[in-house]
Amino acid sequence: EPEVTQTPSHQVTQMGQEVILRCVPISNHLYFYWYRQILGQKVEFLVSFYNNEISEKSEIFDDQFSVERPDGSNFTLKIRSTKLEDSAMYFCASSDGAGTTDTQYFGPGTRLTVL
Amino acid sequence: QQQVKQSPQSLIVQKGGISIINCAYENTAFDYFPWYQQFPGKGPALLIAIRPDVSEKKEGRFTISFNKSAKQFSLHIMDSQPGDSATYFCAAIPEDTGRRALTFGSGTRLQVQP
Repeated sequence: EPEVTQTPSHQVTQMGQEVILRCVPISNHLYFYWYRQILGQKVEFLVSFYNNEISEKSEIFDDQFSVERPDGSNFTLKIRSTKLEDSAMYFCASSDGAGTTDTQYFGPGTRLTVL
Repeated sequence: QQQVKQSPQSLIVQKGGISIINCAYENTAFDYFPWYQQFPGKGPALLIAIRPDVSEKKEGRFTISFNKSAKQFSLHIMDSQPGDSATYFCAAIPEDTGRRALTFGSGTRLQVQP
């Protein structure tokens, strides 16, 4: 069964450093998403991406964040200057775009630790 | 107004028992309500979903009950099994707006004891 993959599984970085989290969505999917989950808290939406542009973003997704689809398979989330409060599990998801409520398939997540 | 409130935070059920997880929302624009199941080390996976034009949806041992007037919905797991032990999230989307962002509840950690 196709699945969303994410690398790395765990990233440790120093405050102020840039990090790039990588995702490979399911191959025929058209919509891509990033969510995050701070330890012990709920999963929160960050951004959705369609047709090479951001289609929706939350207030969390400020100028420190950016997303990119650099090639036909990868989808990345960049955090320009990490803060302690960016420490969280980051989930990538993708959906086939068949409708607004098409199923979003989640990857296993990247745990980001900012020291 | 964008929140989805979920309870309980954790739940312990004996094998064969019924697990019940409750969610409530305020935003009347929400009109699609999926439930996600998450096992340790994995991302959330869609379990079952409902729209408010029906009051109940059943898939196998999993049932969603929906009360539109009270703006509440719940997940019932019948004949709970140890393999059901996971974290469950309710979520909501305002489908008619065309938005796709899932608004999640805070999650319920279910433990089914053998």
